[in-house]
Amino acid sequence: QQPVQSPQAVILREGEDAVINCSSSKALYSVHWYRQKHGEAPVFLMILLKGGEQKGHDKISASFNEKKQQSSLYLTASQLSYSGTYFCGTEGQSGGGADGLTFGKGTHLIIQP
Amino acid sequence: NAGVTQTPKFQVLKTGQSMTLQCAQDMNHEYMSWYRQDPGMGLRLIHYSVGAGITDQGEVPNGYNVSRSTTEDFPLRLLSAAPSQTSVYFCASSYSLATGGDGYTFGSGTRLTVV
Repeated sequence: QQPVQSPQAVILREGEDAVINCSSSKALYSVHWYRQKHGEAPVFLMILLKGGEQKGHDKISASFNEKKQQSSLYLTASQLSYSGTYFCGTEGQSGGGADGLTFGKGTHLIIQP
Repeated sequence: NAGVTQTPKFQVLKTGQSMTLQCAQDMNHEYMSWYRQDPGMGLRLIHYSVGAGITDQGEVPNGYNVSRSTTEDFPLRLLSAAPSQTSVYFCASSYSLATGGDGYTFGSGTRLTVV
């Protein structure tokens, strides 16, 4: 079942922060986050495994609440290069790629100067 | 390393025609998959493979066939093209998801139009 992302779209000024949420109705093994620029392929950002961990690099981080089957992506002090569509992808409880990865419909992020 | 290579980049088909979208990776990845992307729908899984000789259906498999005879190649076949199959198709691969890994590497996509 497709995870639900919110918000669908967000417009920010450069330097502002953003949070993108991803919620699933099924028990999850992992959550992936990807960014896609217009006309390009999605690019992997990070993966979070069950266990409720938090990850981050540079000014982009994410958390995974296993009990709520929710993940959030945090973009701090946004840069123009952060613009694009962000997708979460969820993997079912069996893990290991056995069920494939199900993506949400995406969140469009626009960063203005 | 070339990564994940998809061919062709663009294709126009007539209704009823068949064709094969090619996908090859040179990273020795176990896991390969095909997605289609339509406006407002996100990425939907068509078929996937966890290794050579093993394939399985995803969310939207009807009208598509796959095979995985080698680790490197994972072609997607459209049996009889329909206008509803007009979409952008992405192939993706991953070394292993069991331990987290490096996520999926996507090909550059094939933009298919069926008239």
